[in-house]
Amino acid sequence: AQKITQTQPGMFVQEKEAVTLDCTYDTSDQSYGLFWYKQPSSGEMIFLIYQGSYDEQNATEGRYSLNFQKARKSANLVISASQLGDSAMYFCAMREGRDSSYKLIFGSGTRLLVRP
Amino acid sequence: GAVVSQHPSWVICKSGTSVKIECRSLDFQATTMFWYRQFPKQSLMLMATSNEGSKATYEQGVEKDKFLINHASLTLSTLTVTSAHPEDSSFYICSARGPQFEKLFFGSGTQLSVL
Repeated sequence: AQKITQTQPGMFVQEKEAVTLDCTYDTSDQSYGLFWYKQPSSGEMIFLIYQGSYDEQNATEGRYSLNFQKARKSANLVISASQLGDSAMYFCAMREGRDSSYKLIFGSGTRLLVRP
Repeated sequence: GAVVSQHPSWVICKSGTSVKIECRSLDFQATTMFWYRQFPKQSLMLMATSNEGSKATYEQGVEKDKFLINHASLTLSTLTVTSAHPEDSSFYICSARGPQFEKLFFGSGTQLSVL
C-alpha cells in the first residue's frame, strides 16, 4: 500500500493567490514526521516545512503552512501569495517511528505552475 | 543552514565503466547519509542508508554489488555505480541528517547518463 499519496499530478495557480497541495499518509506508528520539499528544475531538494505527529499546532514557515489533520491522516501544504518562483515539483514525505536511521518515504509529487 | 555538496552534477560514461559520486556535508558531521534515485518525472526512491564506519543498508531490490557505498568519514559518503549500463541512467541524489534533529538536507544531485 502507498505510504504517501499525492493525488494532484499537476496544479495551476494565479500569481499572488494561495494554493493547497494535498498529501495523505498511511502509518500505524504513533510517532512520525511529515515533510514537504520543493524541487525546481535544477533538481535540488529544498526543505520547506516539517510537522511532527505530536505537534499540536500546524507548522508554519513564512508563506508555507501545513494543514495537519491527524484523524484524516492528511498533511496538506498551503502556499500563500504565490510567486512565479514557486513553480516547481513539490514532494510530501514521511519519516516513520523514531528510527534513528531517519529515512524518508516520498510521495509521487505535484507539479505546480504559477501563472503571471 | 547546513550544506550538502554533491559532485559531479552530471556525468556521461560508456557502458561497462564505473562512476563515483561524492556527497559531502560541509559544515556539520553526518553519521548517516542516504542515497536516492529519481527517474524522470518520478519520485525519489531510497536506495540505501550509508552509515559512517559500517556497512550500508540497502533497500529491497537494490543490488549492493552494483551500487557500492562507502562512508569512510563523518563528512563524506560515496556511491560507485559499477559496470554501468544504460538502464542505470538516472538522477542520483544524496541527503544527510542535519544538526537540527528533524531536518534532512539534500545535495544538488547527479545526472548520470550511460551510453
